[in-house]
Amino acid sequence: DAGVIQSPRHEVTEMGQEVTLRCKPISGHDYLFWYRQTMMRGLELLIYFNNNVPIDDSGMPEDRFSAKMPNASFSTLKIQPSEPRDSAVYFCASSLVAIYNEQFFGPGTRLTVL
Amino acid sequence: AQKVTQAQTEISVVEKEDVTLDCVYETRDTTYYLFWYKQPPSGELVFLIRRNSFDEQNEISGRYSWNFQKSTSSFNFTITASQVVDSAVYFCALSGRGNKLVFGAGTILRVKS
Repeated sequence: DAGVIQSPRHEVTEMGQEVTLRCKPISGHDYLFWYRQTMMRGLELLIYFNNNVPIDDSGMPEDRFSAKMPNASFSTLKIQPSEPRDSAVYFCASSLVAIYNEQFFGPGTRLTVL
Repeated sequence: AQKVTQAQTEISVVEKEDVTLDCVYETRDTTYYLFWYKQPPSGELVFLIRRNSFDEQNEISGRYSWNFQKSTSSFNFTITASQVVDSAVYFCALSGRGNKLVFGAGTILRVKS
């Protein structure tokens, strides 16, 4: 399997612009997670899906962030409008049926908002 | 609430030294899982091991070993005969009834040749 695929790998944008991050989970994995990593806050879970349904979005920082999973093989994380404090590495991860299974992480998207 | 504490922010060792990374966790759940992940300089997160709360057996995988002690709520990770390629950030994580993975702050390991 190709592993979790994320795009783009790097994104530089200006404050106020819309940013869309994309993720393709490992085939057969029923859980998908979005994380954000910063020096100040470490790794934070933003939202996770089970069978394409959002289960817990309590980690989403504010209404500027939204995530969707239209099908089992694709998810997006959108920031609109973006702000400099959104600069971080965003990881997507997926896991098998039971959430207690290990999560497999994508390579991450490094987002810089100027 | 669940919490994972990795008190060691950064550790530097010389190649071939043994090194232990500490992890202390807090949870009220009776069933939970503990994990270690490695984040090399390239940035990806690599799964190393999973342990459930009912299995306190220590585990060894090559130069890596893990010591799980429920009595002290610790899940420590030891690298024997460290190598430069072991240089990375290592994260301990906990998953419980809340079904969310909570990560520690990570320990930066620098192995010098």
